[in-house]
Amino acid sequence: DAGVTQSPTHLIKTRGQHVTLRCSPISGHKSVSWYQQVLGQGPQFIFQYYEKEERGRGNFPDRFSARQFPNYSSELNVNALLLGDSALYLCASSLGPSSGNTIYFGEGSWLTVV
Amino acid sequence: GIQVEQSPPDLILQEGANSTLRCNFSDSVNNLQWFHQNPWGQLINLFYIPSGTKQNGRLSATTVATERYSLLYISSSQTTDSGVYFCAVGINNNDMRFGAGTRLTVKP
Repeated sequence: DAGVTQSPTHLIKTRGQHVTLRCSPISGHKSVSWYQQVLGQGPQFIFQYYEKEERGRGNFPDRFSARQFPNYSSELNVNALLLGDSALYLCASSLGPSSGNTIYFGEGSWLTVV
Repeated sequence: GIQVEQSPPDLILQEGANSTLRCNFSDSVNNLQWFHQNPWGQLINLFYIPSGTKQNGRLSATTVATERYSLLYISSSQTTDSGVYFCAVGINNNDMRFGAGTRLTVKP
């Protein structure tokens, strides 16, 4: 079975632009979470979706939004990009949001804002 | 929110050596997972261990939930063990809080 897949793997954007990152969870997984990892730090939680509903939101501005589709894939959108948005964006999937479910991460999308 | 502290921040070992990585957390949690991040950024889940002890090959982990810490043991380290090890804690799978990580370098 395929793991968590993310696209694109690398991208460069200009300040003020918009970006859309995509994630396909492991088959059978209904929960998708997004994390931002700035160089030298641990990942920070952005959103969690389960059964197409937002289940959690981290401390990120409204420029960040996400959604989950009927096939459980997900998109993360960031508007009005800032230099500080440059980071590795990680998608994680699990069977569900309860604690007994192992989290599996994709390889991430490396975003550079110039 | 829950605070997570990992130690040491950096660790350099000779191949074959053993090591212990520590994760302290500030509040009760029902979810604790250890991850290894390889040089390409991929996070690999090592253990789901909110309490107790687990072993997987040369790796083992112990969590003492009542004292709010977890330990990751690596025995007979290999160069492929190099990377950053993260501890993540939380309530359920929502808003997992990651520590700053331990960067492990294993020299041949």
